[in-house]
Order: sequence, then C-alpha cells, then structure tokens
Amino acid sequence: DVKVTQSSRYLVKRTGEKVFLECVQDMDHENMFWYRQDPGLGLRLIYFSYDVKMKEKGDIPEGYSVSREKKERFSLILESASTNQTSMYLCASSLRFSGNTIYFGEGSWLTVV
Amino acid sequence: AQSVTQPDIHITVSEGASLELRCNYSYGATPYLFWYVQSPGQGLQLLLKYFSGDTLVQGIKGFEAEFKRSQSSFNLRKPSVHWSDAAEYFCAVGAVDKVIFGPGTSLSVIP
Repeated sequence: DVKVTQSSRYLVKRTGEKVFLECVQDMDHENMFWYRQDPGLGLRLIYFSYDVKMKEKGDIPEGYSVSREKKERFSLILESASTNQTSMYLCASSLRFSGNTIYFGEGSWLTVV
Repeated sequence: AQSVTQPDIHITVSEGASLELRCNYSYGATPYLFWYVQSPGQGLQLLLKYFSGDTLVQGIKGFEAEFKRSQSSFNLRKPSVHWSDAAEYFCAVGAVDKVIFGPGTSLSVIP
C-alpha cells in the first residue's frame, strides 16, 4: 500500500515562529501536494510539485513556501506563523497524470497562538 | 473555469436506509471524476473513480456512482448505510494539471 507520512499530527506554535511540516511518500510518485482544510471551505491547494526542485502555486500560496529536495519528501514552510494559519494541513502524492488516484497522509493539526 | 459543487453540506440518514450524495461539476472536456471519503481525524481515501466507459462505477465499501454527462453530475449512492459510513465525502474532478475538490458533504448516521 502507498503510504504518505506526515511527521507531526498535532503542533502548537506561537505567532511569528517559523514552522516546518514534513511529508514523505514511499511510492516514487512524481506529484506531491499540500492542502489546507477548513470547515465549510473544503480542501484548498497551497502548493504542488511535479518533480524534484519544481513547485507550482496553488490557490492559496500566500504566507507559505515549499521545498522538494528529494523525490519522496515535500516540506511546507510557514515563514512567520499567524493565527489565521491555524488549520488542518494535508499532504498528498500521486503519479503525474491528473486522472491518477491521490493518496493522502493523515493530516497535521496546526494551532498558532 | 473548472469547479465542483456539492449542494448538501450535511446529511443525516438512519442506519439501513439508502443514501445519495450529489455532485455537480463544471469542466470543458470529458472529466476524470472521483469520490473520496474522510473519516474523523484522518486523511482522505479513494472510494471510486470514473475515467470513461460504463457510466455506473462500483467502488469500495459498497458504494457506487453514476456519471451523467447531460446533467454534469456524478452522484454517489449506497443502498444500505452502516454506522461506520459516517464521515465527510468529497467529490473531485481531474483537470489538466491538478485535481479540484468540492466542499464536501458531512454524513451522519442515526442508529
């Protein structure tokens, strides 16, 4: 089975802190994604990557950056966390073709205080 | 622009009753369509997907969905709901370079 592992399930950070959310997939997928999930808003795409060192902005990239130095790892970075970034963050991966199944991690609950 | 709508934010059904969750999409070409399920506190899991061919698609956990091009719909159905089906359900469409998710429908099941 494909496994997408998010390093932290629950985090509490202070306003202004730099936050790293790490994600690793074990199926050699080209595509990796970071989504944000909020009640009533569904899943919103923050960034995605289709190859090592490549990244594309999604629908809500402001306040976030990403890093993909190795194919299996995709990191989401909050340069200066703010309270409005309190949310559930979901990492996902898939083969390149957009008709392929997307596999999700279990999510990281981030609270910024 | 591509979009996905799920008209029902929340649905409550009794255990054993039938279920239909609605999904409508907007996309210029023949879409790739998906239904995902999210159990509380978990990530999303694929229930089923449609690429082409037979418009009635069977998935896991006894779910099925029917693609109706004329109505731009891809509704999810289950003939008899189990308490363990309580979850959030997301419809999605595969566009050129990404997948677009609907806002989700929350399903509650009454014992």
